[in-house]
Amino acid sequence: AQSVTQPDIHITVSEGASLELRCNYSYGATPYLFWYVQSPGQGLQLLLKYFSGDTLVQGIKGFEAEFKRSQSSFNLRKPSVHWSDAAEYFCAVGPSNFGNEKLTFGTGTRLTIIP
Amino acid sequence: GAGVSQSPRYKVAKRGQDVALRCDPISGHVSLFWYQQALGQGPEFLTYFQNEAQLDKSGLPSDRFFAERPEGSVSTLKIQRTQQEDSAVYLCASSFTGGSTEAFFGQGTRLTVV
Repeated sequence: AQSVTQPDIHITVSEGASLELRCNYSYGATPYLFWYVQSPGQGLQLLLKYFSGDTLVQGIKGFEAEFKRSQSSFNLRKPSVHWSDAAEYFCAVGPSNFGNEKLTFGTGTRLTIIP
Repeated sequence: GAGVSQSPRYKVAKRGQDVALRCDPISGHVSLFWYQQALGQGPEFLTYFQNEAQLDKSGLPSDRFFAERPEGSVSTLKIQRTQQEDSAVYLCASSFTGGSTEAFFGQGTRLTVV
């Protein structure tokens, strides 16, 4: 069965500092990997996705993620965070890229930004 | 509308009451998903429709949960005889099957069972 682990429940970083959120997955075949962001009272917004090809994926809002098959990881990074990045971040894995398959989500990482 | 719309945004139900949660997907989107998000957890899959056909309901936690999409557009998630453990945010997502790789999520309905 597929699963996702986000080892960090809560991370606090200073505005302008770099950020890395960890994600490890377990999946028997080639995974399709996603990062979503959820602001309070809001639904999930897709930041970026990986299906194949270049293992470094660029997303919206200046985020990027790197797929490392050997480590079963798909960590999210941003070189300089802004106060508006404070939110909950979810990593997810799915069996296909056609939007018609269910996703398995991690438990999320809450990001706090301090001035 | 421009996005996935869910109603009501908040629902308080007494234990044992039946509730119905509505999802209006993006126009033309073939696929529709329901997820349950408990407090402090990630979303968990409940069920999936392609048009009016419910292709996967493996995530529904009990036979008290029922979902339908009779005309392949609006969907309703019904929970009968609500229990406290049903308290969660219920998220709906839709996608255009056939090339699109993104499912768009609604803002969710927060259900509190008291």
